[in-house]
Amino acid sequence: AQRVTQPEKLLSVFKGAPVELKCNYSYSGSPELFWYVQYSRQRLQLLLRHISRESIKGFTADLNKGETSFHLKKPFAQEEDSAMYYCALKRPGNTPLVFGKGTRLSVIA
Amino acid sequence: DSGVTQTPKHLITATGQRVTLRCSPRSGDLSVYWYQQSLDQGLQFLIQYYNGEERAKGNILERFSAQQFPDLHSELNLSSLELGDSALYFCASSSRTGLNEKLFFGSGTQLSVL
Repeated sequence: AQRVTQPEKLLSVFKGAPVELKCNYSYSGSPELFWYVQYSRQRLQLLLRHISRESIKGFTADLNKGETSFHLKKPFAQEEDSAMYYCALKRPGNTPLVFGKGTRLSVIA
Repeated sequence: DSGVTQTPKHLITATGQRVTLRCSPRSGDLSVYWYQQSLDQGLQFLIQYYNGEERAKGNILERFSAQQFPDLHSELNLSSLELGDSALYFCASSSRTGLNEKLFFGSGTQLSVL
């Protein structure tokens, strides 16, 4: 069965510092990987997906199949980035998203 | 606003009771997912419905059941409630499945079992 691991429950960084939220997955096939974000008092929402190879709000994530990782990175953290971040995996086809346990990012001014 | 509506926002009940959580998906979305969010387990997938039919089942207890109605709204029924069932229950909907599927989440129902 597929599994998503986010090793850090809480990550605190200073404003302007680089940030990397780690995500590792276990799945033998070709998954789709996503990052979802939940800001304070807001709904969970899609941040980015690996298939789009996009940068959203300065965040990027590269799928590394060799290391089975999909780490989320941003070169300069902002206070408004403080939120709960979830990595998620989807197997091909009509299958549900499987989420990691989440990492709470706290950006300190 | 994602367009997904969940009611009620908060629910306080006692052990042994039964509750029903309701979800209205975005207009036109055929797929509805239910997730349970707790501090120690994160977001756990419970069950998925597509156009009225059950499509996938996750870590859903036998005491829990769900259904999707012809108007596409969904209900999650939790019975014989235990203290450990206290959690935030999310519903999400999507208009397509498979590649590039994007989930839109509701604001959740906070269930407290006392």
